[in-house]
Amino acid sequence: AQKVTQAQTEISVVEKEDVTLDCVYETRDTTYYLFWYKQPPSGELVFLIRRNSFDEQNEISGRYSWNFQKSTSSFNFTITASQVVDSAVYFCALSGEGAQKLVFGQGTRLTINP
Amino acid sequence: SAVISQKPSRDICQRGTSLTIQCQVDSQVTMMFWYRQQPGQSLTLIATANQGSEATYESGFVIDKFPISRPNLTFSTLTVSNLSPEDSSIYLCSAGQGSNQPQHFGDGTRLSIL
Repeated sequence: AQKVTQAQTEISVVEKEDVTLDCVYETRDTTYYLFWYKQPPSGELVFLIRRNSFDEQNEISGRYSWNFQKSTSSFNFTITASQVVDSAVYFCALSGEGAQKLVFGQGTRLTINP
Repeated sequence: SAVISQKPSRDICQRGTSLTIQCQVDSQVTMMFWYRQQPGQSLTLIATANQGSEATYESGFVIDKFPISRPNLTFSTLTVSNLSPEDSSIYLCSAGQGSNQPQHFGDGTRLSIL
């Protein structure tokens, strides 16, 4: 069975601080895909990144960066110099080989205070 | 990336009635999915909408309660039947072109039951 755990239910920081959202996953598949989505207060789900299990390179996109470590089954997300607009619920998700359906973590509610 | 239009965006329904949610994708997609997000919770997959055949339901979800249609590669509907207060949720449609491609989501349908 596949499982995604986001142990941090809520995080609150002051603007400009760096913040890391943790994601730990479980799967028996050799090939799998990891995702991060953002859900702002308006409710839509915004795709942020997809990683396949064979690509452990870290990725940076502006203020966002992702650290994928197969050894610890983790796919953590860091926001550098956070901004109020980053306030949202962030979901980590997993899909297995051949199956596109996503298994979501419980989400982390991030609040950036001015 | 595919653009997904979902309607209605919200509705308030009486107990015992049914609501049909439509999901339209601007391009042909291999897979379409329906998720439920209960208040303050994560997303749970209801079913995979298969084109030309019956949907594949996840454990805990049944066709009588959540009938799904997918007449072609760009359109699907989800009906939530015999509504009760426990059905108050956000229902989201998603579409993807394969497990190595990101799934994109519609803006969701916020359903409230009186």
